[in-house]
Amino acid sequence: DQQVKQNSPSLSVQEGRISILNCDYTNSMFDYFLWYKKYPAEGPTFLISISSIKDKNEDGRFTVFLNKSAKHLSLHIVPSQPGDSAVYFCAARASNTGNQFYFGTGTSLTVIP
Amino acid sequence: GAVVSQHPSRVICKSGTSVKIECRSLDFQATTMFWYRQFPKQSLMLMATSNEGSKATYEQGVEKDKFLINHASLTLSTLTVTSAHPEDSSFYICSASGPLGNTEAFFGQGTRLTVV
Repeated sequence: DQQVKQNSPSLSVQEGRISILNCDYTNSMFDYFLWYKKYPAEGPTFLISISSIKDKNEDGRFTVFLNKSAKHLSLHIVPSQPGDSAVYFCAARASNTGNQFYFGTGTSLTVIP
Repeated sequence: GAVVSQHPSRVICKSGTSVKIECRSLDFQATTMFWYRQFPKQSLMLMATSNEGSKATYEQGVEKDKFLINHASLTLSTLTVTSAHPEDSSFYICSASGPLGNTEAFFGQGTRLTVV
């Protein structure tokens, strides 16, 4: 049972444009959300996070938006750069169930120079 | 950010043998470590959660006798794949969270296991 879903397996964007990666979740108890970036044969690296008490968090070119009523979050990258090409995973956690993070299926982003 | 080191990064073993993968938190004490498995083009699937000094909690469908997890210290967790079979070939990743706060998990580099 996939509690965190990323319905777009891949996305291609022109360099300089905005990349928007989407993530949906089903567990209303999730209260912390993260985005990870992963290159092939490497472990994921943390990118940005958001707590359920916020609806937006920004860090440089990366902004995460959270819509709790829709159980939806998105990651915006602007401007997109070729080095952003990677697989992006969203992850969610519920405080009352410990530190387990549940991951989406990932979206492979390709930024075209 | 905190550093989690996973070793080996790549291992090839014969069917029927056992393989041990180590996960170390280098600059913090990890009270909780997680082991994930990733199949090609699929998500990271949580296998088990281990807390230092206690038995691991396995996710549904994960064979605890096949995937032995030991978290004997605050800086080391090990995953042993026992009697490995070709279908165990996968990318295994550990992550750790600790006193830095429960708000983030730090990942190791992953281990590519190939069973021949």
